[in-house]
This record gives sequence, C-alpha cells and structure tokens, in this order.
Amino acid sequence: AQSVAQPEDQVNVAEGNPLTVKCTYSVSGNPYLFWYVQYPNRGLQFLLKYITGDNLVKGSYGFEAEFNKSQTSFHLKKPSALVSDSALYFCAVRDRDNFNKFYFGSGTKLNVKP
Amino acid sequence: DADVTQTPRNRITKTGKRIMLECSQTKGHDRMYWYRQDPGLGLRLIYYSFDVKDINKGEISDGYSVSRQAQAKFSLSLESAIPNQTALYFCATSSGGGPYNEQFFGPGTRLTVL
Repeated sequence: AQSVAQPEDQVNVAEGNPLTVKCTYSVSGNPYLFWYVQYPNRGLQFLLKYITGDNLVKGSYGFEAEFNKSQTSFHLKKPSALVSDSALYFCAVRDRDNFNKFYFGSGTKLNVKP
Repeated sequence: DADVTQTPRNRITKTGKRIMLECSQTKGHDRMYWYRQDPGLGLRLIYYSFDVKDINKGEISDGYSVSRQAQAKFSLSLESAIPNQTALYFCATSSGGGPYNEQFFGPGTRLTVL
C-alpha cells in the first residue's frame, strides 16, 4: 500500500541555522514526490517536486529536497532558516503506476525562533 | 483573484443537517479533489473527479457525496452531518496530461458540527 511518513510532529530551529524536515515513502512503483507548505488559515502551497533525474531538487523560497531511492526518503532542507518559514509542511507521494491519487503525510510543524 | 475558491470559509451546523461546500476554479484544470484535514492525520481524500462525467470515491467517502456541475465547479455534500465530520475541508485541482503535475489548493472551509 502507498504511504508517506513524516516521523517528526514538530521541528524547532533557530533563525539562520539549517533546517531539515524528514519524509519517507512507500509505493509499489517509482514515485513522484512533492512538498507543500501550509501557513495558518491558508490552503496548501506547492514548494517543489521530484519527477526524475537529479536527486537534489530546488524549489520555492530557497527550499530544496533530496531524493534517496535506497532509503526511500525525500527530506526537505534549507541552508538558513527564516522566522517566516514557520508553518506546517506536508510531504506527498504519487505512484507512477497508479497516479490517480496523492498520499499525504501527517505534517510537520516547523518552528523557527529568532 | 484566487484561482481556487471555496465557500463558505467557515460553517457551524447541527447534527443531522444537510450541508453543501462549494469549490470553484479558474485554472482550467480538469481534475478536482476534496480532502479533509484533521490534526495529526494529514489530508485524506474524500472524492475526486477527472472530468464532469467522472466521479470517484477516495479513502473516506462514507457520509459524503459530490457533484461536478461543470469543469470549474465541484461541490461536496454532507447529507446528514455528524460531529466527527468536524474538520477543515480543502478543494484542490490539477491538470491532466501527467501524474507529475502538482495540485493547487483552495483556502479551506472550516466546518463544525455540533
């Protein structure tokens, strides 16, 4: 069965420090992987996606994510966190062989402190 | 103007009442989705539609129904609302043509069933 796991409910980081939000996935075929961000009282906004090719994907607002097939992971990263990055982050996967549905993780709350 | 709009944004209703949540989009996308978001559970798919004549159940469709009135409109109904349907509901769209296309989300409807 397809699934996505975000093992951390919350991540705390100081402004200026690097941040990582973890995501692991399980699909029967090759995955399409996505990261979304949700600010308070807003819908989800697309950040970046992995389709194929380079394992390091760059997205909006300085975020990037690294696809690791052997570890079935797609961790979200940013070299220097901003207070404005504080939000809820969701990882999602789409199975290439059954691309009708997106499977979302449970979300990770990122807190960036000044 | 927002590309994906949802009405109402907030709704409080009583057990047993019929409720309709509406979604409209100006992105020209053929695929539309309804999700509910509960704390710690991420987003769960209720229904999805690939065009006006295509409606499919998601993972939690019991107690819900949908109508795709036009390419741009996709409504979610709760025939007889119950308290455990209290949640944040999101509509989303994506374009066809490839499973690598990301989804675009509306701002959400916060529904409370008393």
